[in-house]
Amino acid sequence: AQKVTQAQTEISVVEKEDVTLDCVYETRDTTYYLFWYKQPPSGELVFLIRRNSFDEQNEISGRYSWNFQKSTSSFNFTITASQVVDSAVYFCALGGGYQKVTFGIGTKLQVIP
Amino acid sequence: EPEVTQTPSHQVTQMGQEVILRCVPISNHLYFYWYRQILGQKVEFLVSFYNNEISEKSEIFDDQFSVERPDGSNFTLKIRSTKLEDSAMYFCASSEASLGGDYGYTFGSGTRLTVV
Repeated sequence: AQKVTQAQTEISVVEKEDVTLDCVYETRDTTYYLFWYKQPPSGELVFLIRRNSFDEQNEISGRYSWNFQKSTSSFNFTITASQVVDSAVYFCALGGGYQKVTFGIGTKLQVIP
Repeated sequence: EPEVTQTPSHQVTQMGQEVILRCVPISNHLYFYWYRQILGQKVEFLVSFYNNEISEKSEIFDDQFSVERPDGSNFTLKIRSTKLEDSAMYFCASSEASLGGDYGYTFGSGTRLTVV
């Protein structure tokens, strides 16, 4: 069975601070995909990143960066110099092949001006 | 960038009524999914659909639910007799069939279903 754990349910930071959202996953699949989605107050799911289980390279996209470590089954997400517009719920998710995607419960990030 | 389109964005229905939620997946995608998110909770898998049949479904997807791909472009979720607890955001998603490739799941913007 697949499982995604996001231990932080809510985080508050002051604008311009860096913040890391944790994600730990469990799967028996050897090939799997990890995702991060952003859900702003408007409710839609905004795709942020997809990572293949064979690719452990960290990725940076602007103020966003992701640290994938298979040894600890973690796929953490860091926002550098946070902004108020980053306030949202962030979901880590796990998918294997064409199967369903399993979501974590989400981390609600509040960036205070 | 290709999108998954869902209509309507918000639907209000009376308890016991049938509703059909519509989705237009990305045209070259072959796998289709429905997820739901009860307000404030996590996103939950309902069903996956491939080659005109259900490939996997969750325990939530009981006999009240059905899915259909009536033509080459639409993918629908029908709830036969809605209950108050069906109130949620319903997300459609699609993915391309690519063995070992780098593909992902593209979600639509959701339909907010309110059962009164």
